[in-house]
Amino acid sequence: EVQLVQSGAEVKKSGESLRISCKGSRYSFTRHWITWVRQVPGKGLEWIGTVDPDDSHTNYSPSFQGHVTISADKSITTAYLQWNSLKASDSATYYCARLATTAPGTHFDYWGQGTLVTVSS
Amino acid sequence: SYELTQPPSVSVSPGQTASITCFGDKLGNRYVSWYQQKPGQSPVVVIYQDNKRPSGIPERFSGSNSGNTAILTITGTQALDEADYYCQAWDSSTVVFGGGTRLTVL
Repeated sequence: EVQLVQSGAEVKKSGESLRISCKGSRYSFTRHWITWVRQVPGKGLEWIGTVDPDDSHTNYSPSFQGHVTISADKSITTAYLQWNSLKASDSATYYCARLATTAPGTHFDYWGQGTLVTVSS
Repeated sequence: SYELTQPPSVSVSPGQTASITCFGDKLGNRYVSWYQQKPGQSPVVVIYQDNKRPSGIPERFSGSNSGNTAILTITGTQALDEADYYCQAWDSSTVVFGGGTRLTVL
């Protein structure tokens, strides 16, 4: 069965940097884009951006562009979400998810377990 | 930017049919997916490409999409269907989620 295993919970201070990870296994990692989604406690899902693990091409939501960096290392089948300077408003659970196909209108067929990020001001 | 609008909450009695709507401009021209999220869990896709069910999703879940509205229908709703439901579509190369609907089974 396909697995996306995310790194553990983080507690950080405003201004600090952070990188969380999402390791894919039991499938061909380079054949499925990985996306990152934010969920603030008690709120809905927000799309952050997507990375093609094969060539590291990325696509970001305008709401997150410039504040986060998404990357992937296909040699270790891992995708990353990174901040250079955290804000308290970044406190949320972050999910990675796999795009089922490259066809238009595709969906997210497997999700990681989520990484809780807490940022104190 | 493209927006998807869902009702914040829907209530249904056990055994009855629940309908959750998702509104977007010319939404019928796009594929819609639906995700179920229970408290403390990751989302799970229950419908994709408007009306397809992934393996393992019960037949009581169905979807439709036409005009400006997509609908997730749960026939014979069970207590375990109580969850938040999100619609999702693509706007060019960006992903859009609806705000989510809390389904209460009472």
